[in-house]
Amino acid sequence: GAVVSQHPSRVICKSGTSVKIECRSLDFQATTMFWYRQFPKKSLMLMATSNEGSKATYEQGVEKDKFLINHASLTLSTLTVTSAHPEDSSFYICSASRSNTEAFFGQGTRLTVV
Amino acid sequence: AQTVTQSQPEMSVQEAETVTLSCTYDTSESDYYLFWYKQPPSRQMILVIRQEAYKQQNATENRFSVNFQKAAKSFSLKISDSQLGDAAMYFCAYRSPDNYGQNFVFGPGTRLSVLP
Repeated sequence: GAVVSQHPSRVICKSGTSVKIECRSLDFQATTMFWYRQFPKKSLMLMATSNEGSKATYEQGVEKDKFLINHASLTLSTLTVTSAHPEDSSFYICSASRSNTEAFFGQGTRLTVV
Repeated sequence: AQTVTQSQPEMSVQEAETVTLSCTYDTSESDYYLFWYKQPPSRQMILVIRQEAYKQQNATENRFSVNFQKAAKSFSLKISDSQLGDAAMYFCAYRSPDNYGQNFVFGPGTRLSVLP
């Protein structure tokens, strides 16, 4: 099956700093990548959808200036949480799709802002 | 907009027994894809099974099978011979094939416990 690698799996950062999360499709070219946030015991909440070479489409209520998404190549998308605050602490998951069928998920990143 | 409902927040099954997880969805589209994803304690989302709406035959993957009722907009997952490793959150998901950027719509999830 297709493999999506997300890095780092855990990160702790100080309030006010920025942190970058990478999502790579290792063995396929991803035309679309999705970024989700998951609160404890809840479902996945879509933050944004990115297509290679174009600007990400953000969901309502998600601050695009705070959550910067870059999808510069068909195998890499990054999510940068800028000026992080404790309320940004969460579990972030990326997924990559090579067609309009299934998507494959990264391992997730647990972000803790202290 | 499409919606996905999973009416069972929690389910439990005895090891080696069979369990069925429910999923219903709402859509006006005639062509789409449905999925079941599993999220174990590691939180890695794993694709369990996929169903194309235009196919009448129910998808199967080893011990996992679905009962796809298009008219009723129902997509249940049956797990046979349940194993301890099946314990996880299970998410039902819908995706429209209209374009590559189309989002997945996830249900709220069902937490499955497997009792030894």
